[in-house]
Formats: sequence, structure tokens, C-alpha cells
Amino acid sequence: AQSVSQHNHHVILSEAASLELGCNYSYGGTVNLFWYVQYPGQHLQLLLKYFSGDPLVKGIKGFEAEFIKSKFSFNLRKPSVQWSDTAEYFCAVGAGGGADGLTFGKGTHLIIQP
Amino acid sequence: DTAVSQTPKYLVTQMGNDKSIKCEQNLGHDTMYWYKQDSKKFLKIMFSYNNKELIINETVPNRFSPKSPDKAHLNLHINSLELGDSAVYFCASSQGPIGELFFGEGSRLTVL
Repeated sequence: AQSVSQHNHHVILSEAASLELGCNYSYGGTVNLFWYVQYPGQHLQLLLKYFSGDPLVKGIKGFEAEFIKSKFSFNLRKPSVQWSDTAEYFCAVGAGGGADGLTFGKGTHLIIQP
Repeated sequence: DTAVSQTPKYLVTQMGNDKSIKCEQNLGHDTMYWYKQDSKKFLKIMFSYNNKELIINETVPNRFSPKSPDKAHLNLHINSLELGDSAVYFCASSQGPIGELFFGEGSRLTVL
């Protein structure tokens, strides 16, 4: 089964700072990759996804992520964060025959200070 | 209309009771899931159903049983509730088992 590792469990940034959240997965075959966001007290919403094609994908709210196959990574980036980006961010992987569904990382709690 | 809806949103109950959480999706998806999110926000898949067949059953206690009357519904029934069952339970659906997941708003279960 695949696994997903998010390196930063808690990140604190000031507004306008740049953001990069790391995500690595372990699976040697074709993967579908996702980043989800969970605002306080809410459900998970999709930020962006990668299935194939251009490895640099753009999502909602100015987020983007780059798939680097050789590094098994799918890092999330945003050039300038806002206070409203405070949330929990989850990387997820769908792989293989799909019998395992999507596997989620443990999440990164992002706090943006005004 | 809410794409994935689950009820109730909040559930407070005593240990030993039996409870159910209902989930419905109107997206026409063929796969539905239940995830458990613990107090540390860790998401763990519990079950998924594809065309009314269980295709994943993680190492969850058999006190938890999913029931799917049709492909638009996946309910979760929990017997003999324990303190450790307190969590937020999310229903989700997708088209295919590794497609984008659409989540419900969650059901916060508190066992006293």
C-alpha cells in the first residue's frame, strides 16, 4: 500500500510570506495526487489535483503544486499567503488498482499571523 | 443542493449505545467512503463501497458496519459505542476509487 508523508506538522507564517508545504509519497507506479484544505470547523475541500500532463498544476485561491516524479514529491506553494489561508492542509495519493482508495498524509496545520 | 450530505452533524451519546450516521450523494458517483478524523486531525479510511460492494475494509472494529441501500447512500452504523469512537466522521464520494473525493460536512460524534 502507498503512504504519504507531510514533513511540516505545524507552520506559522506572517501575511505576505511565501509558502511551501512538502509532500512525499511511496509508490512506484502511476499516481493521482491531491491537496485538500480544511478550514476551521469545516469539511475538506479540494485545492488542486494532478492526474497527468503538465506537472505544475494551479488550483484555487492562488495555490499551485509541482509533481516531481523522480523525487516522489508533490509540494504545495503559494507566493503570498493571507490570514484567511489559516487551515489544515492534507496531501493525498490515489494509486495502483485503486483498492486502497485515497491515502492521506497526517496534515499540516498552517497559521497565518496578521 | 449539497453534493454530499450527512446527518446528524452532531451526536452526543453514552457508552454502550448504538447509533447511525446517514450519508447521501447526488453527484452520480459510483464510489462512497467513510473516513474517521481523530483529535489530531488524522484522516483514516474506514470503508468504501463501489456499486454496492465493499471494496475496502480497513482494520476497524466489527462494531462498525456500513450499509448501502443504493449507490447514492452509504450509512454507518456503530454498535456498543466506546469512548475511543469519539471523532469526526466524514462521508465522501468519487467517480472511481482513486478519483477526486467530495466530502460531506462531517458528523462529530462524542461518546460520554
